[in-house]
Amino acid sequence: KAGVTQTPRYLIKTRGQQVTLSCSPISGHRSVSWYQQTPGQGLQFLFEYFSETQRNKGNFPGRFSGRQFSNSRSEMNVSTLELGDSALYLCASSLKREPGNTIYFGEGSWLTVV
Amino acid sequence: TQLLEQSPQFLSIQEGENLTVYCNSSSVFSSLQWYRQEPGEGPVLLVTVVTGGEVKKLKRLTFQFGDARKDSSLHITAAQPGDTGLYLCAGYNAGNMLTFGGGTRLMVKP
Repeated sequence: KAGVTQTPRYLIKTRGQQVTLSCSPISGHRSVSWYQQTPGQGLQFLFEYFSETQRNKGNFPGRFSGRQFSNSRSEMNVSTLELGDSALYLCASSLKREPGNTIYFGEGSWLTVV
Repeated sequence: TQLLEQSPQFLSIQEGENLTVYCNSSSVFSSLQWYRQEPGEGPVLLVTVVTGGEVKKLKRLTFQFGDARKDSSLHITAAQPGDTGLYLCAGYNAGNMLTFGGGTRLMVKP
């Protein structure tokens, strides 16, 4: 069974630009969540989608947005990029939305903003 | 905001030594998970603890959930170089949001 796939793996953007990251969850998984990982702040929750609806949102500015499609694939978008947005963006999928549920992470998308 | 504090942040030990990593919070979590992350990869779930006082063993790794469900520990016996990595604890709150600790970066030298 294929794991969580994230694309692109690496990208470099300029301040002010916008970026879209894609995530294909494990087949059959309907919950997709996104996290930002930086050396200074660690792993921080961005948002969670289930059945095409955003169920939870972390404490990030409105420049960060996401969506989920009917096939459970998800995208996240960051507009007006800032240097501080440089990070590893991780997507995770799970079968259900229950606490303690096993979630599976992708390898992440490394974003560098210059 | 529910915070999870991990200690130590960094740990460098020799192969064969024992170690314990701590994960503490002032908040109660419905469940707590431990992950291990290697460079260039996403975190991989090691264990989920749900019941206060619960102890789970995974080969040389022992995980404990505090009685009040506010803290947890990870103990590794006879560490090996393959145990090197970033260890993360994470807790689910009532809103089903997963909050991560800052991580413990472990290096085991041969």
